[in-house]
Amino acid sequence: SQKIEQNSEALNIQEGKTATLTCNYTNYSPAYLQWYRQDPGRGPVFLLLIRENEKEKRKERLKVTFDTTLKQSLFHITASQPADSATYLCALPASGGSYIPTFGRGTSLIVHP
Amino acid sequence: DAGVIQSPRHEVTEMGQEVTLRCKPISGHNSLFWYRQTMMRGLELLIYFNNNVPIDDSGMPEDRFSAKMPNASFSTLKIQPSEPRDSAVYFCASSAGDRDQPQHFGDGTRLSIL
Repeated sequence: SQKIEQNSEALNIQEGKTATLTCNYTNYSPAYLQWYRQDPGRGPVFLLLIRENEKEKRKERLKVTFDTTLKQSLFHITASQPADSATYLCALPASGGSYIPTFGRGTSLIVHP
Repeated sequence: DAGVIQSPRHEVTEMGQEVTLRCKPISGHNSLFWYRQTMMRGLELLIYFNNNVPIDDSGMPEDRFSAKMPNASFSTLKIQPSEPRDSAVYFCASSAGDRDQPQHFGDGTRLSIL
């Protein structure tokens, strides 16, 4: 089955800078990859989906890239704000024949004012 | 529109007791998922329903866990008997399909087994 790796160490950045989070996966290339945001005491909230034939996807200050050769997705938040502080999880299908997502452990982002 | 609604938000009980967690998915969504989240293991899929039918329950840890979906607007996850190692946050999520559709999560039930 798929193994998903996200940096377990928190990412600390200064307000206004660009935050970049990484999601690496092993084995087969997934048909899609999703990014979610989770705040303390709340459930994950869907942010963006990128499909295997897409290199990049944007939504407001968010940008996701998908490199099937490197088996990696990068999640960028430009002009970061303290309100962007949260844990960000990536999700992709657990196996080649499944569309059901399996989640990474997430990376905590802390934006300092 | 109401999102996914879970109850209770918090549950504290003694080991050996039966625990029932409840979920109301978003109206019109035909897929429902139960997850468990812990610091050690992250977010784990327990069971997945499509059109009220259990499709994949390979994530259910053992026979003490059971889940039902008697209709499109209600699901339960039951643990009997409960054990301290079951302590976790349990999430329910629904989606409009089983493909690449986004999952909509409830705010979870924080379960503590003493």
